[in-house]
Amino acid sequence: GAVVSQHPSRVICKSGTSVKIECRSLDFQATTMFWYRQFPKQSLMLMATSNEGSKATYEQGVEKDKFLINHASLTLSTLTVTSAHPEDSSFYICSATLGPSGAGTDTQYFGPGTRLTVL
Amino acid sequence: QKEVEQDPGPLSVPEGAIVSLNCTYSNSAFQYFMWYRQYSRKGPELLMYTYSSGNKEDGRFTAQVDKSSKYISLFIRDSQPSDSATYLCAMSVSGANSKLTFGKGITLSVRP
Repeated sequence: GAVVSQHPSRVICKSGTSVKIECRSLDFQATTMFWYRQFPKQSLMLMATSNEGSKATYEQGVEKDKFLINHASLTLSTLTVTSAHPEDSSFYICSATLGPSGAGTDTQYFGPGTRLTVL
Repeated sequence: QKEVEQDPGPLSVPEGAIVSLNCTYSNSAFQYFMWYRQYSRKGPELLMYTYSSGNKEDGRFTAQVDKSSKYISLFIRDSQPSDSATYLCAMSVSGANSKLTFGKGITLSVRP
């Protein structure tokens, strides 16, 4: 149980285009989803925290107008990189947490990640 | 200084060796300490989870936290080729289901 999927796993796009990445919790309802970014040889860095039905909370230095997050349901969150540029090329990974009660609630379940390359 | 520093790698050991992985941190507000294992093309999976200082053992894995030194360790006994993966330490102020601050990760290779 507690599987998180991401789609696509890899995407290559031209500079100036927008790219949407989906994060789904397959067998549980995720009240909170997190979006991380990892540049080569760097740590996973939290970009934003997303709660179902409310606006995402962005970390300092992350442009909310560039990285649009929509958490429309308890099983789906999307990250849209708008007007992508080569410096946005990175590994984007989401995670999801269970509801407020029950076993396994105090952990995050990670997706497999999406490799974005902007030409 | 980065909030979390992890020993650089990669690390290669023979099968059966004891492996020691370490992280240091600077934020004294961290209360929750985790080790994640990540296989190629997969997301990180939680391996060990410790609250505050102390030791925790789970099979061949032992996690240690020394808050006074701001130092955490993961020991793997009798390492197996299946342990070959990237290991990331992570820390949180509020819990494993809250904002996590990660180390860079170290890639471990266990040679048969």
